[in-house]
Amino acid sequence: DQQVKQNSPSLSVQEGRISILNCDYTNSMFDYFLWYKKYPAEGPTFLISISSIKDKNEDGRFTVFLNKSAKHLSLHIVPSQPGDSAVYFCAARALGTASKLTFGTGTRLQVTL
Amino acid sequence: DTAVSQTPKYLVTQMGNDKSIKCEQNLGHDTMYWYKQDSKKFLKIMFSYNNKELIINETVPNRFSPKSPDKAHLNLHINSLELGDSAVYFCASSQGTSGQHFGPGTRLTVT
Repeated sequence: DQQVKQNSPSLSVQEGRISILNCDYTNSMFDYFLWYKKYPAEGPTFLISISSIKDKNEDGRFTVFLNKSAKHLSLHIVPSQPGDSAVYFCAARALGTASKLTFGTGTRLQVTL
Repeated sequence: DTAVSQTPKYLVTQMGNDKSIKCEQNLGHDTMYWYKQDSKKFLKIMFSYNNKELIINETVPNRFSPKSPDKAHLNLHINSLELGDSAVYFCASSQGTSGQHFGPGTRLTVT
């Protein structure tokens, strides 16, 4: 039972354009969401997070949007750069579950020149 | 300086063997984790320790036994290795509600 879903396994975007990565979840108890970036042969790196009390969080070129009613979040990268090419994982944490994260299966972003 | 380190990076072994993977973090975090990323790239938590105490123990075969000698270390011992144990194992650490910091992973191949 996959509670966090990233339905697009891959995405290709031109350099300078906006990249939008999507994530859907099914568990209403999730109250905190995170995005991780992963390069080959490396561990995931924390990018940005958002609490369920907010609908937007911004950090430089990265913005995460949360739509609780739709159980959907998205990561926007503007402008996209070649170094952003990586696999992006969405993760969620439920209230009262210590620090347990449930991950999506990832979206591979390719930023082309 | 490496924040979360794992050894070895690659491990190839035969079915039935016992092996250990070591993890160390120098971030001063109080919580450490083990994750398994299978062939479908699905990253799933296995265990979590907070201040040397087990707080998360997912449905994992009891052939897998985590050991935390101190806050900075969380090792994973696997007995009687099976083909299905082949995966990439990631160690991670966190402090409070902050995002988790991951190690580089250990690719385990069981032949």
